[in-house]
Amino acid sequence: DIQMTQSPSSLSASVGDRVTITCRASQSISSYLNWYQQKPGKAPNLLIYAASSLQSGVPSRFSGSGSGTDFTLTISSLQPEDFATYYCQESYSTLGRTFGQGTKVEIK
Amino acid sequence: QVQLVQSGAEVKKPGASVKVSCKAAGYTFTGNYIHWVRQAPGQGLEWIGRINPSGGSTAYAQKFQGRVIMTRDTSTSTVYMELSSLRSEDTAVYYCARERPGRYLDYWGQGTLVTVYS
Repeated sequence: DIQMTQSPSSLSASVGDRVTITCRASQSISSYLNWYQQKPGKAPNLLIYAASSLQSGVPSRFSGSGSGTDFTLTISSLQPEDFATYYCQESYSTLGRTFGQGTKVEIK
Repeated sequence: QVQLVQSGAEVKKPGASVKVSCKAAGYTFTGNYIHWVRQAPGQGLEWIGRINPSGGSTAYAQKFQGRVIMTRDTSTSTVYMELSSLRSEDTAVYYCARERPGRYLDYWGQGTLVTVYS
């Protein structure tokens, strides 16, 4: 099975800050990497797919990069509505999907 | 518009089974896989498995092999996830989600809370 490791597990940031979250796969997954945002009590919401493609309706301050085993999610200027938990997910496996453990973004 | 509507909350005793439904609307039901993901209280997302509504083929996470069965009813555009031999650790919110051909989950159900306790 492919393991996905996110870092950090949590971070504190201020409105307007640039935030970067990393995700590392235990083996190469090409660009089969997606990012989701989840707010308390809500279902996850797709932000980025195929490592760097912005989902329709998602603000352009979100961006993704990487390929192979190392990926990043960047929020260029953190907004109040961005305080949430973020998950990466690999979709390389033919018969499975694995999520990272999540990164909680909190208000400093 | 695309919608995935799940069945309501369930309370079960250890050893029992639970069957959660996910009714799809607003798109061609047989055109996209449906995945199931769960989230225990205060924990992260855990992939359970997926079903192809077109032919009914399934794939399950090894952790759930032998305990989970996913089925579909094309006449009602509904998929089902049945989990058996429930234990307290199965207490979680269970989500269904649609997968696009690019292998990403773009629409999610509202979630179904399954509580297991004696």
